Amino acid sequence: DAGITQSPRYKITETGRQVTLMCHQTWSHSYMFWYRQDLGHGLRLIYYSAAADITDKGEVPDGYVVSRSKTENFPLTLESATRSQTSVYFCASSEFGTSVDTQYFGPGTRLTVL
Amino acid sequence: KNQVEQSPQSLIILEGKNCTLQCNYTVSPFSNLRWYKQDTGRGPVSLTIMTFSENTKSNGRYTATLDADTKQSSLHITASQLSDSASYICVVSAYGGSQGNLIFGKGTKLSVKP
Repeated sequence: DAGITQSPRYKITETGRQVTLMCHQTWSHSYMFWYRQDLGHGLRLIYYSAAADITDKGEVPDGYVVSRSKTENFPLTLESATRSQTSVYFCASSEFGTSVDTQYFGPGTRLTVL
Repeated sequence: KNQVEQSPQSLIILEGKNCTLQCNYTVSPFSNLRWYKQDTGRGPVSLTIMTFSENTKSNGRYTATLDADTKQSSLHITASQLSDSASYICVVSAYGGSQGNLIFGKGTKLSVKP
């Protein structure tokens, strides 16, 4: 039972480089989410998706791009990484996306932008 | 503005002792409140969810309370164990909202010492 996985778990990159963080879930959940977690801010939503080919912006979408061609995958791309994007990134999924539905989080990717 | 405030920011207790974490919110109209546990280096895991009609809900040694009139919730941990060391995050959902606009608190970091 793999659940929800993220790769890589750790990534160091340089300013200006493109980086893609992967997220994969095995439950066939409709909804998937990308959050970033920084000290002093808690979790902040970057983008989310209600189904394949449907995505919406969250609270902090600038500098990020997402796609969802398959239900099980939801990659997050930093087109030109900046130091302010150094953070821990969490992917999550939920079956129906209603307010009472449980979100299941992946283990996170720690990204450092030098 | 919808906000979720948690207190204290951090807490140290001895193994076997009880503790209570607080969550105050200004989200309106209110739909539900969820407590997550986040172990160091891992993604958050849901502990409980309460809707506006529920006052108390338990999950093992964890008991959450909700006072929708004063817009306060608490998470009580009984007979703490070393494995309770984690951050505890309060998340509130507005009525009619989707999981695309959950409001996250910054968390309380609990350390249980032997």
